[in-house]
Amino acid sequence: AQSVTQPDIHITVSEGASLELRCNYSYGATPYLFWYVQSPGQGLQLLLKYFSGDTLVQGIKGFEAEFKRSQSSFNLRKPSVHWSDAAEYFCAVDTGTASKLTFGTGTRLQVTL
Amino acid sequence: GAVVSQHPSRVICKSGTSVKIECRSLDFQATTMFWYRQFPKQSLMLMATSNEGSKATYEQGVEKDKFLINHASLTLSTLTVTSAHPEDSSFYICSATGLAGGRETQYFGPGTRLLVL
Repeated sequence: AQSVTQPDIHITVSEGASLELRCNYSYGATPYLFWYVQSPGQGLQLLLKYFSGDTLVQGIKGFEAEFKRSQSSFNLRKPSVHWSDAAEYFCAVDTGTASKLTFGTGTRLQVTL
Repeated sequence: GAVVSQHPSRVICKSGTSVKIECRSLDFQATTMFWYRQFPKQSLMLMATSNEGSKATYEQGVEKDKFLINHASLTLSTLTVTSAHPEDSSFYICSATGLAGGRETQYFGPGTRLLVL
């Protein structure tokens, strides 16, 4: 069965510092991978997705993610974090069954000024 | 594009009453809609998959008679929590699938916070 692991429950970075959020997946076939962001009390906003092709994908708000098949990873990065990036970040994999998503447990990002 | 709305955003009700939550895709037609439940500081738990004109498919452990889902059109799905009890208090989020880059992508609504007294 497919699964998604986000090893870091909580990360704190200083504003202006670089950020990397880890995501590892377990899935037998070619994965379709997503990163979503959730602000407190809000729904989820799609940051970026990987379906095929270039393994480095660009998203909104200056985020990017790199798909590494050999490491079963899809880590999210941002070169310079802004205070408004503080939120919960979820990695997800499309199971291939009716577009159902399997979510990781999320990583809460705190940004210090 | 790909905007999903939910109504209401917040609802408080008495125990024993029923509550209806609407999920609409505003600028696209959604072949499939999903309903999730999220407990504080936890990930999303899929409750059911809803397709227009057919019965919803519920995940294991979700009571279909408790959580009634109606998918009346390609832009509207409703979740009714029947005879709500305090343990049903939660954050309910819907999503709708639309085509993006040749693959269906889920777009999420802003969520509905339900508090049952």
